Amino acid sequence: AQTVTQSQPEMSVQEAETVTLSCTYDTSESDYYLFWYKQPPSRQMILVIRQEAYKQQNATENRFSVNFQKAAKSFSLKISDSQLGDAAMYFCAFRIYNQGGKLIFGQGTELSVKP
Amino acid sequence: KAGVTQTPRYLIKTRGQQVTLSCSPISGHRSVSWYQQTPGQGLQFLFEYFSETQRNKGNFPGRFSGRQFSNSRSEMNVSTLELGDSALYLCASSRDPGGTEAFFGQGTRLTVV
Repeated sequence: AQTVTQSQPEMSVQEAETVTLSCTYDTSESDYYLFWYKQPPSRQMILVIRQEAYKQQNATENRFSVNFQKAAKSFSLKISDSQLGDAAMYFCAFRIYNQGGKLIFGQGTELSVKP
Repeated sequence: KAGVTQTPRYLIKTRGQQVTLSCSPISGHRSVSWYQQTPGQGLQFLFEYFSETQRNKGNFPGRFSGRQFSNSRSEMNVSTLELGDSALYLCASSRDPGGTEAFFGQGTRLTVV
């Protein structure tokens, strides 16, 4: 079965601090993409960062970076210099390379940012 | 460039009725996927359409169906609504099924009473 597990239903971080959200996944496939999506109260899913499984280098997008451990099937998201606007539900997801656009999502981590 | 547009934003239906939701993808995007989001089950894949053909289907009963038009707009239909169908329905578009980035609409909140 292909699954994504986010073990932290809720996380909290102080503004300007750093927080790491955990994600593990399970698949027998070797070619896939990994994603972190953000869903603010507006409900619109916004892509935060993506990682191709064949790339060893961890992806970075401004204050967002990932720690991708393929052997451990782990894909954590680090948010540096947290801002109030980062408060949202964060979803980890993956897509198998040759299986179209189907995304498999985790249950989400609700991140709150304290001023 | 306009984003993914879903209509309506909110809908209230009665058990047993049917409902049709619409999704207009980003211009140039030909792949549309649908997801159901509920507090209990999270985000679950419904189906994917590309070039008016269903390419992939999730584990949902036959009451859930969809289609895609030649302009890539997609509709999903739920017949004989049940209380458990109350959810946020999200649509995502990408250039093609292999596109590395899917863009989501704001969703349609369906409430079944």
